[in-house]
Amino acid sequence: AIWMTQSPSSLSASTGDRVTITCRASQDISSYLGWYQQKPGKAPELLIYAASTLQSGVPSRFSGSGSGTDFTLTISCLQSEDFATYYCQQYYSYPFTFGPGTKVDIK
Amino acid sequence: VQLVQSGAEVKKPGESLKISCKASGYTFTNYWIGWVRQMPGKGLEWMGIIYPLDSDITYSPSFQGQVTISVDKSISTAYLQWRSLKASDTAMYYCARLATSSTSWSDSWGQGTLVTVSS
Repeated sequence: AIWMTQSPSSLSASTGDRVTITCRASQDISSYLGWYQQKPGKAPELLIYAASTLQSGVPSRFSGSGSGTDFTLTISCLQSEDFATYYCQQYYSYPFTFGPGTKVDIK
Repeated sequence: VQLVQSGAEVKKPGESLKISCKASGYTFTNYWIGWVRQMPGKGLEWMGIIYPLDSDITYSPSFQGQVTISVDKSISTAYLQWRSLKASDTAMYYCARLATSSTSWSDSWGQGTLVTVSS
C-alpha cells in the first residue's frame, strides 16, 4: 500500500494568513492526488483533484501543486470558514489511502 | 448529485448490520461508489469500491473479509454490511462517488452513518 504523510499535523493561523500544507506519498503517484476539507460533524468535501485542478464551486484562494511524491495545498488568504481539517488522498493504486490530516484552527 | 445514507445505528457485539446509501441525480450504474470509515476522533480510511453496473468490487486489504459491499441497481442504492459487529466497528461511515473511473477522486459524499457497537 502507498503511505501518505502530511505536515504539519496541526497549525494555528489567523484570518488573512497564507497557509501551506504538504503531503508526501511513499512512492510516485504522478498527479493522482486529491485534497478534501472536513468540518466538525460534516462529511468531507472535495477541494482539488489531479493535484492542482480546483473542483467546481471551490473558492480560488485554494490551490494545489506537485507531482510524483510531493504535493502542497495552499490557502492564499485564510477565511473564517476555512478552519477545518484537510486530508490528501492518493487514487493511483488500491487501496486508495488518505493522509492523517492537518487541522487548521484559529490562532 | 446526492447521496443519502441511512440513519444512525446502535448495535450489540455479534449482531449483524446493513447500512445504505441511496444515490440520485445521476446514472447510478455509470459511476463507481465506495465506502470510507472514520473512527471517533480519527482520520479517513478507504474501505473499498463497487461498480454498480456489474458489481465489480475492490476491497482494501484492511477490510477484506470484515465487511461486504453490495448494490441494488433497481433502487440506486449501495450497501455496507457486517455479519458480526465488534466494538471496534464503532465509527462514522461515509459513502462517496468516484468522479470518473475506478481510479478517481471522490466528488460527492453522503452525510455519513454513525454506527455504535456497545454491549
